[in-house]
Formats: sequence, C-alpha cells, structure tokens
Amino acid sequence: SQTIHQWPATLVQPVGSPLSLECTVEGTSNPNLYWYRQAAGRGLQLLFYSVGIGQISSEVPQNLSASRPQDRQFILSSKKLLLSDSGFYLCAWSVQAIAQYFGPGTRLTVL
Amino acid sequence: KQEVTQIPAALSVPEGENLVLNCSFTDSAIYNLQWFRQDPGKGLTSLLLIQSSQREQTSGRLNASLDKSSGRSTLYIAASQPGDSATYLCASTGGGNKLTFGTGTQLKVEL
Repeated sequence: SQTIHQWPATLVQPVGSPLSLECTVEGTSNPNLYWYRQAAGRGLQLLFYSVGIGQISSEVPQNLSASRPQDRQFILSSKKLLLSDSGFYLCAWSVQAIAQYFGPGTRLTVL
Repeated sequence: KQEVTQIPAALSVPEGENLVLNCSFTDSAIYNLQWFRQDPGKGLTSLLLIQSSQREQTSGRLNASLDKSSGRSTLYIAASQPGDSATYLCASTGGGNKLTFGTGTQLKVEL
C-alpha cells in the first residue's frame, strides 16, 4: 500500500531564516506530487506540482521554491521566510489523474 | 478560472440525523470531483471520488453525487455520529490534475 510522509510535523522559525520541508511517498512509482498551503481562515492553495524528477510547475508567485531530486521525494524551500509564509503545508500524490492523497502536514509558524 | 463554493459553511446536527453537504463549481469541464475530510490540525483524508462520467459513489454511510451540467455535487451522510464531526472539503480536478478546493463545511454532530 502507498504511504506519504512529511517532516517535520511542526516548525517555528524566525523571519529571514531558511526553510526546508520534505515529503516522501512509498509504494508507488512516478507519482505526480503537489505542495499545498492552508493559511488560517483561508482555503487550500496549490503552490507547486511535479510530474517527474526535476520537473516543477509553480502556481503562485511567492517566496518559496520546490525541488524533486528523486522520484518519490518532494522538497519545499525558502531562502528567507516571511511572516506571511506561516500556515499548514500539505504534500499530496496522485497517479494518472485519479484521486489525490494527502500527507499529515507541517505546521509552520514564522515569528 | 474554476471557483468552488460549499454551503453551508458550518452545520450542527443531533446524532442520528441524515444530512447533505453541498458543493458547486463554475466550470463544468472537470475530470472528477473529490470529497475530503479534515480533522483539526490534520491532513486531508480522501472520502470519495466521482469521475466525470459517473453520477454517484457510495462508501458505507457516505454517498456523493455529481451533476456536471448544473455544476453541483452533494455529500450525503446517513445516520450521523459524533465521530463524523470534522471539516468536509470538496475539490474539482481540472487540467494537469490540479485540484481547486472549496472553503469547506465544518460539521458538528452532537450527542
């Protein structure tokens, strides 16, 4: 069966510090991978998606970037965090445009 | 641009009641419609997916319907239980397998 992992589960970072969130998927090959953000009082917003290694599409201009160094690994990064980067970050995977399955999320607080 | 709306935003019902959650979308050119459940501070759990060629899907006490022509989907929960309390999100899948989420219905089932 497929499983998806995210870490860390929670993170508190000062403004201006770097960020690295990691997502890995097990039990499937060549998945589509997605990063979403859920800000307080707002809906889920798609940030990045990837259809293969090294292939990243950005949905919203912002302070963040994504990378996919391996087939089942997706990383969300920032060089300098802003207060507005606070939120709940969710990684998801899918195969062949069928259902998307989400990880447990990372709660990021920028102070 | 696809817009997804969920009504009501919040709902409180007594245990045992049958209930319907509504989801509407502006662009009927969707690949599928997915319903999720989110518990506080947690990731999303996929409940049901209805492909564009289907009319409904059932899983246990849950039944989801899809009417593409009218841009509507409903999630029916039979014999509600306190454990059903959560936020329910619908999402339409468009090009690139990208999800557009509604803002959710927060459900509370009271004893």
